[in-house]
Amino acid sequence: EAGVAQSPRYKIIEKRQSVAFWCNPISGHATLYWYQQILGQGPKLLIQFQNNGVVDDSQLPKDRFSAERLKGVDSTLKIQPAKLEDSAVYLCASRTQGSGKTNEKLFFGSGTQLSVL
Amino acid sequence: AQSVTQPDIHITVSEGASLELRCNYSYGATPYLFWYVQSPGQGLQLLLKYFSGDTLVQGIKGFEAEFKRSQSSFNLRKPSVHWSDAAEYFCALTDSWGKLQFGAGTQVVVTP
Repeated sequence: EAGVAQSPRYKIIEKRQSVAFWCNPISGHATLYWYQQILGQGPKLLIQFQNNGVVDDSQLPKDRFSAERLKGVDSTLKIQPAKLEDSAVYLCASRTQGSGKTNEKLFFGSGTQLSVL
Repeated sequence: AQSVTQPDIHITVSEGASLELRCNYSYGATPYLFWYVQSPGQGLQLLLKYFSGDTLVQGIKGFEAEFKRSQSSFNLRKPSVHWSDAAEYFCALTDSWGKLQFGAGTQVVVTP
């Protein structure tokens, strides 16, 4: 089966600019996550979608970050305006509905590496 | 508060030698524990998981991990490493809402 697709692979921007990342989850996966992975740290959850609804965005810096999943399939994460500390790898992951705590069938994309100069 | 600690930031091991990566957790109940591997330019891949039952779990690529409740640990082991095992390894747990929380990771370098 096809994996979780993310684009672009790399992005370099200057601070205060805007940037958007795209994620296409595995077909049929109702749950979609965006994680931020800063160098030297483990991934940190930013937002979780169930179909096109937000389940958890408690760690999303909402003053500058936004995400949407309008049709319950692919998703976009946006940063506006970017800060130096936003430099990180942004990972998208998806899983089937109902796998809950076991995270069965949770798959990660390769990520988008963002450098803010 | 729950947490996952990986004490070793970086480990260097010779090819063919054994490997052990440490993971300690803090959680109020029995956690669901995971080990993931991340190779350069690749997404996170699940190596193994522990939910309940036998405390020694087998995973892919010849890895195993042992859950020790008394030590709040879930260490990952491999008897003989291959050059392809060079990667970053993350220990993680899920909370009661199914949210994955990761440790900071351990970078493994394999020397000839």
